[in-house]
Amino acid sequence: SQTIHQWPATLVQPVGSPLSLECTVEGTSNPNLYWYRQAAGRGLQLLFYSVGIGQISSEVPQNLSASRPQDRQFILSSKKLLLSDSGFYLCAWSALLNGGARAEQYFGPGTRLTVT
Amino acid sequence: DQQVKQNSPSLSVQEGRISILNCDYTNSMFDYFLWYKKYPAEGPTFLISISSIKDKNEDGRFTVFLNKSAKHLSLHIVPSQPGDSAVYFCAARNSGAGSYQLTFGKGTKLSVIP
Repeated sequence: SQTIHQWPATLVQPVGSPLSLECTVEGTSNPNLYWYRQAAGRGLQLLFYSVGIGQISSEVPQNLSASRPQDRQFILSSKKLLLSDSGFYLCAWSALLNGGARAEQYFGPGTRLTVT
Repeated sequence: DQQVKQNSPSLSVQEGRISILNCDYTNSMFDYFLWYKKYPAEGPTFLISISSIKDKNEDGRFTVFLNKSAKHLSLHIVPSQPGDSAVYFCAARNSGAGSYQLTFGKGTKLSVIP
């Protein structure tokens, strides 16, 4: 069965510090990978998605970036955090079927980021 | 502009009764709809989905109904159990847009009272 891991689970960082959140998926090959953010009292906002190694699409302009160095590894980074970057960050994956991505996305446990 | 709306931020239901969670959408290009359940400090869990070519999909205690003319879908949980207490998110996808994005509503918090 497929498993998705995220770490760290919680993180408190000062404004201006760098960020690196990691996500890995097990039990599947060539998944689509996604980074979402849930800000307090709001729905889930898609930040980045990737259809393959080194292929990153950004949905929202911001000071965050994403990278996919391996097939089942997805990293969310920032060089300098802002207060507004605080939130609950979720990684998700979906399977490919007949050349297209299945709609069902499966989420990891999330990382709670607090920028102080 | 919010394309997926869950107008009820919260809902309380007695254990054993039916829970009905509602979702409205504005984008007629959405062709796939999903429901997720989320506990605090955890990632959302996929529950059930429906393609726009169907009007009903059932999986155990969960049934999703889609009314395309009204741009409305609902999730029915029968019978409701205390473990169903969570935030429920409705999501939609436009497969023709070339993006794999799911557009989420803001969620409805369901409380099932024993």
